[in-house]
Amino acid sequence: AQSVTQPDIHITVSEGASLELRCNYSYGATPYLFWYVQSPGQGLQLLLKYFSGDTLVQGIKGFEAEFKRSQSSFNLRKPSVHWSDAAEYFCAVAAGYSGGGADGLTFGKGTHLIIQP
Amino acid sequence: KAGVTQTPRYLIKTRGQQVTLSCSPISGHRSVSWYQQTPGQGLQFLFEYFSETQRNKGNFPGRFSGRQFSNSRSEMNVSTLELGDSALYLCASSLGDYTDTQYFGPGTRLTVL
Repeated sequence: AQSVTQPDIHITVSEGASLELRCNYSYGATPYLFWYVQSPGQGLQLLLKYFSGDTLVQGIKGFEAEFKRSQSSFNLRKPSVHWSDAAEYFCAVAAGYSGGGADGLTFGKGTHLIIQP
Repeated sequence: KAGVTQTPRYLIKTRGQQVTLSCSPISGHRSVSWYQQTPGQGLQFLFEYFSETQRNKGNFPGRFSGRQFSNSRSEMNVSTLELGDSALYLCASSLGDYTDTQYFGPGTRLTVL
């Protein structure tokens, strides 16, 4: 079964500083990877996704992520964070079909990002 | 294009009752998935419906059920509520392939007293 690990439960970054959120996955086949963001009281918003091809993918709000198969990682980065980036960030992997349907997304536990002024 | 909508947004029930949550997907999306989000377990997949058929189910007891209508709207039902069912229930819609992006609604916050 697939799994996703986000090692950092909380991360505190100063406004304007760079950011890297870590994500490691365990999946036997080619992974389909996603990063979602959740603001308080809101649903999840897709930041970016990786299916194949270029291992550096660009997303919305200035985020990017790099897929590294050798490290089973899909880390999210942003060169300069803004106070509005404070939120919960989730890495997820899409599993293949079993029993005729999708297994759904498997999420990591999330990383809570705090922005210091 | 309107996003995924969920009703109601907040719900308070007591143990033993049952509850029905509703999800309206993005127009043209035929797949609706349901997730439970709790502080302890995080986000967990409940089930997915495509063209009125449940295609897959996560590891939840039979008290959790769902259905999908011909217009792709979906409902989720939880019977005999337990305190541990208190959670944010999110639905997501997509075109239908597991690699398609899932677009999430704002969720229904269920509190069981």
